[in-house]
Amino acid sequence: KNQVEQSPQSLIILEGKNCTLQCNYTVSPFSNLRWYKQDTGRGPVSLTIMTFSENTKSNGRYTATLDADTKQSSLHITASQLSDSASYICVVSSKNAGNMLTFGGGTRLMVKP
Amino acid sequence: DGGITQSPKYLFRKEGQNVTLSCEQNLNHDAMYWYRQDPGQGLRLIYYSQIVNDFQKGDIAEGYSVSREKKESFPLTVTSAQKNPTAFYLCASSIGRDNQPQHFGDGTRLSIL
Repeated sequence: KNQVEQSPQSLIILEGKNCTLQCNYTVSPFSNLRWYKQDTGRGPVSLTIMTFSENTKSNGRYTATLDADTKQSSLHITASQLSDSASYICVVSSKNAGNMLTFGGGTRLMVKP
Repeated sequence: DGGITQSPKYLFRKEGQNVTLSCEQNLNHDAMYWYRQDPGQGLRLIYYSQIVNDFQKGDIAEGYSVSREKKESFPLTVTSAQKNPTAFYLCASSIGRDNQPQHFGDGTRLSIL
């Protein structure tokens, strides 16, 4: 069964600090991996999308890494801001089943002043 | 601005009542999707449509129905057969028929009275 597990479930950091969110998956065969940011009461917004051949991708202060061999990804947030407070969702696509997506449960990040 | 509009933002349902959630997009996207989000869980696919007048069941279609009479619109009806309808419902769309949604609406929160 395709699964995506994220850790930690929740995280509190001080403004200006860095943090790293983890994503482990068992989806196979792999097509791509995405990280989304979801503000409370809003829809998810795509941060990065990575294919098998990419191991790092940045979007401003967000940097995603992918290790397709160990089936792990991380999202690193640099110099956190209060507006980074949100849930971060890891999503993996499988080439089977019509590229359907498997969603992780998300990491809820709170940035405090 | 192009995007996906979901309405209403909040919806309440009485026992035994059907309710319909609206989803409209002006992105000219072919495919549209409905997801359900429960606290701490990943998004789960309810229904999807890759073309007008055609739609497919997702992983949790029981108790739900959809229609796709226009490219721009993909309404979701939560029927009385859905015994646990309280959730956050997200509509999404994608340009192609690759089952990989690119844009999400801001959701409808459905609660039972």
